[in-house]
Amino acid sequence: EVQLVESGGGLVQPGGSLRLSCAVSGFTFSDYYMDWVRQAPGKGLEWVGRIRSKRDGNTTEYAASVKGRFIISRDDSKNSLYLQMNSLKTEDTAVYYCARAPYIGGRCYSGDWGQGTLVTVSS
Amino acid sequence: DIQLTQSPSFLSASVGDRVTLTCRASQDISSYLAWYQQRPGKAPKLLIYAASSLQSGVPSRFSGSGSGTEFTLTISSLQPEDFATYYCQQLNNYPLTFGGGTKVEIK
Repeated sequence: EVQLVESGGGLVQPGGSLRLSCAVSGFTFSDYYMDWVRQAPGKGLEWVGRIRSKRDGNTTEYAASVKGRFIISRDDSKNSLYLQMNSLKTEDTAVYYCARAPYIGGRCYSGDWGQGTLVTVSS
Repeated sequence: DIQLTQSPSFLSASVGDRVTLTCRASQDISSYLAWYQQRPGKAPKLLIYAASSLQSGVPSRFSGSGSGTEFTLTISSLQPEDFATYYCQQLNNYPLTFGGGTKVEIK
């Protein structure tokens, strides 16, 4: 069974940093692209970024709203995905989801999701 | 960036109704579109990928169609568990983007 479990959320002050983790099981983690998606309270979904598989160089893509502040990384030996969030702003307050993105239909669609972890940026 | 506009934003319908949700892209995205369902307090669930392919395990009352800039998600006979918010997402170009969502509520 595919499982994704996010952790590391909490309360942080504006300008601070936080590192989220996503522990996965039930599949060969290194083979898959992985996404981070967030949802501000009462709002819609916002794609944060993606990291490609080892085969595709572990390269990353980011939304403009987080580029230069957030870094996505992975440790295939630990079956873990990470989101390092720096220079946090109040508008980064959201539930953060990690998702597995298998290659289907010509693209990597976010097919399996974790339960999310809440990040609150406030003084 | 590619903008996705979903309509309507809110839809009130009854159990058994046929409902159609629309997603319009600001430029041609071929068929690289997904539909997700999100129930309150839960993670999104992939329903449709590549505009019209049904994700494994998703009931056949859900169907998707379209290509280019206009897409639809149809629920042929609305069930109680289908009352949720639905989002489209384009995967043609980075950054990937979501539509604003359509909330389907019980009439």
